[in-house]
Amino acid sequence: KAGVTQTPRYLIKTRGQQVTLSCSPISGHRSVSWYQQTPGQGLQFLFEYFSETQRNKGNFPGRFSGRQFSNSRSEMNVSTLELGDSALYLCASSFRGRGNTEAFFGQGTRLTVV
Amino acid sequence: KNQVEQSPQSLIILEGKNCTLQCNYTVSPFSNLRWYKQDTGRGPVSLTIMTFSENTKSNGRYTATLDADTKQSSLHITASQLSDSASYICVVILRPYNTDKLIFGTGTRLQVFP
Repeated sequence: KAGVTQTPRYLIKTRGQQVTLSCSPISGHRSVSWYQQTPGQGLQFLFEYFSETQRNKGNFPGRFSGRQFSNSRSEMNVSTLELGDSALYLCASSFRGRGNTEAFFGQGTRLTVV
Repeated sequence: KNQVEQSPQSLIILEGKNCTLQCNYTVSPFSNLRWYKQDTGRGPVSLTIMTFSENTKSNGRYTATLDADTKQSSLHITASQLSDSASYICVVILRPYNTDKLIFGTGTRLQVFP
């Protein structure tokens, strides 16, 4: 069974640009969560999608948005990039995102803003 | 404020030795606690999941303990191997469970040398 796939693995963008990251969950998983990981802040929750609906949202500005498609694949978009957006962006998929269900992480997309 | 603190921040040990990583939390109400291993440049991989009623859980050479009274958890690694070099992240989940209620520690960076 294939794991969680994130594309691209690496990205370099300049300030002011926008970027779209993609996450394909494990087959059958309907919940996809996105996280930002930086050395200083650790892992921080961005948002979660379940059945094409945003179910939860972390404390990030509106420049960060996402969506989920009918096949559960999810995209995350960051507009008007800032230097501080440089981070490893991780997505995690789970069957239903509830209780003690296991969450599986992708390998992440390393975004560098210059 | 809900917080998860891990110690030490970094640790260097020789191959074959044992080590223990600590996680203290002030999260309430508590649902469950997870330990993840994250290799450099990769996504976190789950090691253990414990509910408040569980005191210990093992996964091969990894053993996690939980003391819900003192709000402390530890991850013990036995007979360390070079492949154990990674960051270990403690995650505490609030109750009722929801994806926006995952509180991440900033991790312990473990390096195992031959």
